[in-house]
Amino acid sequence: KNQVEQSPQSLIILEGKNCTLQCNYTVSPFSNLRWYKQDTGRGPVSLTIMTFSENTKSNGRYTATLDADTKQSSLHITASQLSDSASYICVPGGSQGNLIFGKGTKLSVKP
Amino acid sequence: DTGVSQDPRHKITKRGQNVTFRCDPISEHNRLYWYRQTLGQGPEFLTYFQNEAQLEKSRLLSDRFSAERPKGSFSTLEIQRTEQGDSAMYLCASSPRTSGAYEQYFGPGTRLTVT
Repeated sequence: KNQVEQSPQSLIILEGKNCTLQCNYTVSPFSNLRWYKQDTGRGPVSLTIMTFSENTKSNGRYTATLDADTKQSSLHITASQLSDSASYICVPGGSQGNLIFGKGTKLSVKP
Repeated sequence: DTGVSQDPRHKITKRGQNVTFRCDPISEHNRLYWYRQTLGQGPEFLTYFQNEAQLEKSRLLSDRFSAERPKGSFSTLEIQRTEQGDSAMYLCASSPRTSGAYEQYFGPGTRLTVT
């Protein structure tokens, strides 16, 4: 059964601090993994997308890692900003385009 | 704005009524997806189109739900005889047909409230 588990469920950090969000998945067949950012009441916005052969990918202050052997991924946010407050969703995908969305980690960045 | 657009953004309806949502994908994107998202959950796949062909439907898509993409451009999602459990955010996404891992671009969503 396809499953995605994200931790923590929620996180509060101070502006300027770093944080790391975790994702464990069981998806077969596995082809790629995305991280999305979703502001409250809005559609998800893509941050990174990695194929199974990639280990890391960066997008500005966001760096995603992938270990396809252990089926784990992480999203590291550097020097957090107030605008980073959102839900971050891990999305492993199969080769045919089917995406399995996690429940997300709700991040709150406080001044 | 050349992103994915959805209309309406909000819809309040009474139980038993029919509702229809529209999605306009990014121009020339072949694939169009519908998802449903309830509070505290990630989006759940409903169905997707390759051009005008509906290629896959989730078991979540009961017979009260129907989706169309008649000319391979915009799409509509209709819910008949709405139930309170249909209350959710309905998201549309589109993607170009490229090899490998392709991007899905999401619209702002239509929030449905069934009273």
